[in-house]
Amino acid sequence: DSGVTQTPKHLITATGQRVTLRCSPRSGDLSVYWYQQSLDQGLQFLIQYYNGEERAKGNILERFSAQQFPDLHSELNLSSLELGDSALYFCASSVGGGLAEQFFGPGTRLTVL
Amino acid sequence: GENVEQHPSTLSVQEGDSAVIKCTYSDSASNYFPWYKQELGKGPQLIIDIRSNVGEKKDQRIAVTLNKTAKHFSLHITETQPEDSAVYFCAASWNSGYALNFGKGTSLLVTP
Repeated sequence: DSGVTQTPKHLITATGQRVTLRCSPRSGDLSVYWYQQSLDQGLQFLIQYYNGEERAKGNILERFSAQQFPDLHSELNLSSLELGDSALYFCASSVGGGLAEQFFGPGTRLTVL
Repeated sequence: GENVEQHPSTLSVQEGDSAVIKCTYSDSASNYFPWYKQELGKGPQLIIDIRSNVGEKKDQRIAVTLNKTAKHFSLHITETQPEDSAVYFCAASWNSGYALNFGKGTSLLVTP
């Protein structure tokens, strides 16, 4: 158990809908990262937050957004969902700073029908 | 951006044998190279990492080597056990506190 929690574990929704994925980092970790894992694209970095502020952006679609709250939990919002958005979404956390390992949560499996 | 290539995509070994997975990266600025193990239905688990100021690191049956000149790094698992069966991912980053660029993964099967 990495100490990173994600909810829900599974999510099934329809095209065009909007969903919110939630992540709670390990106690004391200031950085949260979101990754998408799909069969064709592999594990891809989406976005990183550090202590409430956006720090880096990767291959994140404009339909997707995220935020990190004062209690350091993070939410990833996915809107106007398409079939191709079906994937595993992982959150990782780290203490922050230059020498901090990233620890992954168990993931949320999103299925768009 | 950084491009990480990983080989082989699948690897089958007998219990007790060694397994080697190789990765290459493109960005010479990368200086942090972790390896993750992902079991079915779980998130990636960090098993070992190496930074660019060292050439090799070992943790019991697992070792990682890094050749910065050639831009490649490898994972070595000795005395493999069935519970080592999983998908292994290499990654590279400018720094451990930043986004990881992952390889496509290697599915390792250890048969008794």
